[in-house]
Amino acid sequence: QVTLRESGPALVKPTQTLTLTCTFSGFSLSTGGMCVSWIRQPPGKALEWLARIDWDDDKYYSTSLKTRLTISKDTSKNQVVLTMTNMDPVDTATYYCARIRSVPPGYFDYWGQGTLVTVSS
Amino acid sequence: EIVLTQSPATLSLSPGERATLSCRASQSVSSYLAWYQQKPGQAPRLLIYDTSNRATGIPARFSGSGSGTDFTLTISSLEPEDFAVYYCHQRSNWPLTFGQGTRLEIK
Repeated sequence: QVTLRESGPALVKPTQTLTLTCTFSGFSLSTGGMCVSWIRQPPGKALEWLARIDWDDDKYYSTSLKTRLTISKDTSKNQVVLTMTNMDPVDTATYYCARIRSVPPGYFDYWGQGTLVTVSS
Repeated sequence: EIVLTQSPATLSLSPGERATLSCRASQSVSSYLAWYQQKPGQAPRLLIYDTSNRATGIPARFSGSGSGTDFTLTISSLEPEDFAVYYCHQRSNWPLTFGQGTRLEIK
């Protein structure tokens, strides 16, 4: 049974760095073809893909946010961590982590429940 | 960056009716397009992948079609639980992108 769970602060101040952790079970990021992504969704708005890390430690980032994002993994803990620097109120959103496999379906087949992050002073 | 444009923004239909949702890409994504369903307060759920393949557990009333830049999600006969927001998503090119969503509401 695959599960993912996001954790991190619910409130951050402008200019601070956000650190989110995705803790998962039911698969291993040391298995070939496994990947984890972060996606966010501002209240009432559309989904926005942020970053992805693969089993072989390849990393991919949103073009518009790449200077602010860092994704990493701790395979032994079954965790993926996303950091986002210089937070702004427009970054207020629900942040999701999701699994992808390189084999079919090859898309986000399991998601966490999401964690709402509010950026406010 | 590939922009996905979904239409209509809102679709008002009754249970039992047929729903047709569109997604247009700013450049070809080949067949690398998926559809997700999202209900209020929930994470998205994968419905269709690679244009026309139903994900595990998805009812047969959901179908997808298209290629290149124009794609369609069809729900053949709407059930009450189908009223939600639907997003298309491409994995053809980096960065991955989503459409802005179509809200399917009860008429």
